[in-house]
Amino acid sequence: QVQLVQSGAEVKKPGASVKVSCKASGYTFSYAMHWVRQAPGQRLEWMGWINAGNTNTKYSPKFQGRVTITRDTSASTAYMELSSLRPEDTAVYYCARGIENLDVLTGYRLYYFDYWGQGTLVTVSS
Amino acid sequence: EIVMTQSPAALSVSPGERATLSCRASQSLSSNLAWYQEKPGQAPRLLIFGASTRATGIPARFSGSGSGTEFTLTISSLQSEDFAVYYCQQYNNWPLTFGQGTKLDIK
Repeated sequence: QVQLVQSGAEVKKPGASVKVSCKASGYTFSYAMHWVRQAPGQRLEWMGWINAGNTNTKYSPKFQGRVTITRDTSASTAYMELSSLRPEDTAVYYCARGIENLDVLTGYRLYYFDYWGQGTLVTVSS
Repeated sequence: EIVMTQSPAALSVSPGERATLSCRASQSLSSNLAWYQEKPGQAPRLLIFGASTRATGIPARFSGSGSGTEFTLTISSLQSEDFAVYYCQQYNNWPLTFGQGTKLDIK
């Protein structure tokens, strides 16, 4: 069955970086992979994605310049690195497999998420 | 950015009763809307995509409707395992955005 298994919890100091991994199994690693976070008491927040071919990424404007999403196809693993951490980055970070939807009217290809990792708690504190 | 607004923020319903959750978008989404269920300590679970199509394995008591800017998730006869937080998500435009959630709890 499809599984996305993420790396363990992290505690970081402000200004540091964190890199979270997401290992996929149970399917061909040929789907887009997205990252979504949820701060305490807040809504889910989309951060960005990487396509199946590892040739294209797109980031939310909120995180542009601070987030880098990569993937290692040979290891069926995706990574999300967030830099210049601040206390408000304290959140649970999820990877999620993206299902592409082609809107025939606009030509846009966007995504919803059919499988999610278990989440990784990142705590940013001095 | 498309802003998603869910109502109510919280809803108390008795087991066996019907629950109706709403999601409104700040601009038209056509039918590019998904619903997720989230339980404490668990990852979100896809319930509905395309505004009204149930995901694999989702019971028939869950149904979605709507298009444009107004959407509804209906749970026809609540079971104990349905008490959770529900989120809507638009995938009509970048960046992808979520509603703030509706917490469904036992009355």
